[in-house]
Amino acid sequence: EPEVTQTPSHQVTQMGQEVILRCVPISNHLYFYWYRQILGQKVEFLVSFYNNEISEKSEIFDDQFSVERPDGSNFTLKIRSTKLEDSAMYFCASSERSGTVNTEAFFGQGTRLTVV
Amino acid sequence: AQRVTQPEKLLSVFKGAPVELKCNYSYSGSPELFWYVQYSRQRLQLLLRHISRESIKGFTADLNKGETSFHLKKPFAQEEDSAMYYCALIGFSTDKLIFGTGTRLQVFP
Repeated sequence: EPEVTQTPSHQVTQMGQEVILRCVPISNHLYFYWYRQILGQKVEFLVSFYNNEISEKSEIFDDQFSVERPDGSNFTLKIRSTKLEDSAMYFCASSERSGTVNTEAFFGQGTRLTVV
Repeated sequence: AQRVTQPEKLLSVFKGAPVELKCNYSYSGSPELFWYVQYSRQRLQLLLRHISRESIKGFTADLNKGETSFHLKKPFAQEEDSAMYYCALIGFSTDKLIFGTGTRLQVFP
């Protein structure tokens, strides 16, 4: 069964450093998402991406964040200058189509980002 | 404001007991409601959606628009149902999921 794959599973970085979280969505999916979950809190939407551009983003997704699909398979989330409060589990997801009808988002295992 | 509320952080039952995980939502319109499940050391996966009106692994959930609820029910819990359960919604003209804080279900033998 096809799966969304995320690497690394755990990333430790120093405050102020740049990090890139990587995701390989399911191959025939067209819509890509990043979510995050701070420990003990709810899963929060960050950004959705379709046709090589951001289709929607949350207020969390500020100028420190960026996404791209550099080679047609990987989907990356970059945090330019990490802060302590960026420590969280980051989930990538993909879906075949958008909208409410028959939408199912498939999630990756997550990358735990720890900023020290 | 769009919000999903799961009032219980932890629900513990014995095997064979009925289970109801509560979910209430706040949304000005007609959202689509989902239940996602995360078993230990596994990824978030879709359990069921209100549009499908199906039973998955014995679980059902009925959308009650009057009470803005989408409670998840199972008549006889099994040990393998132990997991984290998240209620979520998607609103109109968007594809972002809005999650509740989750309920951990523990089923004891």
